[in-house]
Amino acid sequence: DAGVIQSPRHEVTEMGQEVTLRCKPISGHDYLFWYRQTMMRGLELLIYFNNNVPIDDSGMPEDRFSAKMPNASFSTLKIQPSEPRDSAVYFCASSFSEYETQYFGPGTRLLVL
Amino acid sequence: AQSVSQHNHHVILSEAASLELGCNYSYGGTVNLFWYVQYPGQHLQLLLKYFSGDPLVKGIKGFEAEFIKSKFSFNLRKPSVQWSDTAEYFCAVPNAGNNRKLIWGLGTSLAVNP
Repeated sequence: DAGVIQSPRHEVTEMGQEVTLRCKPISGHDYLFWYRQTMMRGLELLIYFNNNVPIDDSGMPEDRFSAKMPNASFSTLKIQPSEPRDSAVYFCASSFSEYETQYFGPGTRLLVL
Repeated sequence: AQSVSQHNHHVILSEAASLELGCNYSYGGTVNLFWYVQYPGQHLQLLLKYFSGDPLVKGIKGFEAEFIKSKFSFNLRKPSVQWSDTAEYFCAVPNAGNNRKLIWGLGTSLAVNP
């Protein structure tokens, strides 16, 4: 298996633009997680899905952030409009269950100017 | 709700020194415990985990961790570090209750000087 795939790997955009991050989990994994990592706040769970259904989105910072999982092999995290404080590395991870090992993707490094 | 505390935020060691990174959690029920590692510029990957059985868990690259239930601790150890162990180390524990998402510590940055 190729592991968790994320795209793009790097994104530079201007404030106010829409940003869409994509994730393909490992085939067969029922859980998908979106994390944000910054120097100041460390690793934060934004939202996670089970069988394509959002279970906990309490970590989503505000309404500018939204996430979808239209099918078992694809998820998106959208920021609209983006702001400089959204600059971070965004990781997607997947697992067989909430308790099992999470497999992380390579991350998307987002810079909002 | 569960909380995870990593006491050492930054650790600097010389090669061959011994390492111990602290991790304490707040919930005393049945726990699964994880240590993840993030090498510079890379994504997080599992270092080791404890689910049940022997409280001394062996992981990759010579790392081990000991689950001490009475102390709510899961400290990470390595007897002799190498320069290649320079990385960020994260402890994680599932939340208590119905929502079992992982709760992450803030991480410990380890720098090993050659």
